Amino acid sequence: GNSVTQMEGPVTLSEEAFLTINCTYTATGYPSLFWYVQYPGEGLQLLLKATKADDKGSNKGFEATYRKETTSFHLEKGSVQVSDSAVYFCALSDKGGSEKLVFGKGMKLTVNP
Amino acid sequence: DGGITQSPKYLFRKEGQNVTLSCEQNLNHDAMYWYRQDPGQGLRLIYYSQIVNDFQKGDIAEGYSVSREKKESFPLTVTSAQKNPTAFYLCASRGLRDAEDTQYFGPGTRLTVL
Repeated sequence: GNSVTQMEGPVTLSEEAFLTINCTYTATGYPSLFWYVQYPGEGLQLLLKATKADDKGSNKGFEATYRKETTSFHLEKGSVQVSDSAVYFCALSDKGGSEKLVFGKGMKLTVNP
Repeated sequence: DGGITQSPKYLFRKEGQNVTLSCEQNLNHDAMYWYRQDPGQGLRLIYYSQIVNDFQKGDIAEGYSVSREKKESFPLTVTSAQKNPTAFYLCASRGLRDAEDTQYFGPGTRLTVL
């Protein structure tokens, strides 16, 4: 079945450091790929998405490129801020009719001043 | 102001009791979903519904029930048959027009069994 594997952390960085969170997937067909972010005590917010190979999603300084050849969707940000402290989830959308999301286990990021 | 609301934010239940979690959306979305989140487990799908009066089991439906009598509402009942119900529950919705495949989430309900 479909699955998502991502770095689990937790990870602690200093402000202005470079961030990479690895995400790889296994899927039949061509799923859409997502990064969601969860701030403490809240629901999930969509950070960015890509719907086909070589698409790049970007938002708030974060970027991820849909790489079909390596089945990856790694999240990057060049300079993190304290406000980026959160849990980050990689997910894929099963296009088999239900469009249900399959999630990675999430990675907790803490950014210190 | 469009969005998804879940209530209550915190819920406490005694063992052996059924409880119902509310999820309402005013986004005119056709599909709605319930997920369960446990520490270090990511999110797992409980139930989903793509149209009114129809719903399907997800990956961990045992011990849960749902209804979809209105497009805007998708309540989840956690029954006494659910062995380990303490978790964070998230509701999501998605529009089905224009190949929209993004799910939007509510703020969640944290259920604790005492």
